[in-house]
Amino acid sequence: GAGVSQSPSNKVTEKGKDVELRCDPISGHTALYWYRQSLGQGLEFLIYFQGNSAPDKSGLPSDRFSAERTGGSVSTLTIQRTQQEDSAVYLCASSPRTSGSLIDTGELFFGEGSRLTVL
Amino acid sequence: SQQGEEDPQALSIQEGENATMNCSYKTSINNLQWYRQNSGRGLVHLILIRSNEREKHSGRLRVTLDTSKKSSSLLITASRAADTASYFCATASSSNTGKLIFGQGTTLQVKP
Repeated sequence: GAGVSQSPSNKVTEKGKDVELRCDPISGHTALYWYRQSLGQGLEFLIYFQGNSAPDKSGLPSDRFSAERTGGSVSTLTIQRTQQEDSAVYLCASSPRTSGSLIDTGELFFGEGSRLTVL
Repeated sequence: SQQGEEDPQALSIQEGENATMNCSYKTSINNLQWYRQNSGRGLVHLILIRSNEREKHSGRLRVTLDTSKKSSSLLITASRAADTASYFCATASSSNTGKLIFGQGTTLQVKP
């Protein structure tokens, strides 16, 4: 089946503009994650959605960053008033999750990422 | 803040040699996972080891976990040029929040 799809794959924007990055997770996956990866660095956690629960926004670096997930499927990461330090690859991942009282974080399936360049 | 720290940051070996990468973490975990990333691509899951496991194998991969030392190692045996990539460990907290936190990664170069 189809994997995690992200768009656009590349985005060049001017400082101060808003950008939207889209993620289509694998069908049926209830968990969705956004990470940011600067050049040559590790992955920085941004936000995590699980089913209908309130998202874990603890990794969002500022109030210029927001994300939503509509209908428990597609997610959009929005960066307002972009800054040069926002330049990075934004990675989305989805995961099937076990139900019940014990949440088990299993394997994440990653998209290819959206490379954002802010001039 | 990031949970895992990996060592070494970079590793260069000859084809056929073994490669060992280490990961240390700070808090109690439910499981620890290793991922691989080819240059310019997304990450691919390699192996998951649970907190009650000490060792796990998958093909040429061997992962160990020492929860008393809060550390894990990934061993790739009989390396190939195609193993050239960055390798990341990621930890799932024992508080079961669902969040997966990644380390900074080890860049492996396997020379043919």
